[in-house]
Amino acid sequence: DGGITQSPKYLFRKEGQNVTLSCEQNLNHDAMYWYRQDPGQGLRLIYYSQIVNDFQKGDIAEGYSVSREKKESFPLTVTSAQKNPTAFYLCASSPILPSPLHFGNGTRLTVT
Amino acid sequence: QQQVKQSPQSLIVQKGGISIINCAYENTAFDYFPWYQQFPGKGPALLIAIRPDVSEKKEGRFTISFNKSAKQFSLHIMDSQPGDSATYFCAASREGAQKLVFGQGTRLTINP
Repeated sequence: DGGITQSPKYLFRKEGQNVTLSCEQNLNHDAMYWYRQDPGQGLRLIYYSQIVNDFQKGDIAEGYSVSREKKESFPLTVTSAQKNPTAFYLCASSPILPSPLHFGNGTRLTVT
Repeated sequence: QQQVKQSPQSLIVQKGGISIINCAYENTAFDYFPWYQQFPGKGPALLIAIRPDVSEKKEGRFTISFNKSAKQFSLHIMDSQPGDSATYFCAASREGAQKLVFGQGTRLTINP
């Protein structure tokens, strides 16, 4: 089955540690995205990538970093510089817009 | 200019009733308006989408109404069922911009 795989589903970290969230897709989509979801704030775009080895900042990129070394993979690193990292993180992919975004089932990150 | 404002934040409807969720936008360059449905612990999934060249699109019990002059679009769920209980997001994008702007989300509860 084609789809987006995010791992792990739950992640716990201590404050001050960097953590990397995995996102893999086998849909052969060119574009990939990372969104952050907080209650009452909808989905906010962190980073997106349209092609391998290229990516752009979204609306809330501070404290995050990404890489796109392969078409299938778009990992997100939450750095210690991110002030409020506890959230639900969603990865998505799509062909060139306007096309539906296909989302993974998210990673819930808790930092204490 | 890049915002999409969604209302209400939460909505409770009796089984068999009509659920209505509204969205408004400012950027007249937006030309693609999808709606996503998200169940707890899952990623959002495309429900239905509309382009501004039509005023209404229907798929089963789900209808998007689009008012270009008012810069508003809405989702109507007819004969609402308990299985429709989920969070709904409207979104918008413009040609050439490889990203979607999401509304804040509406948590819909259908009482049996």
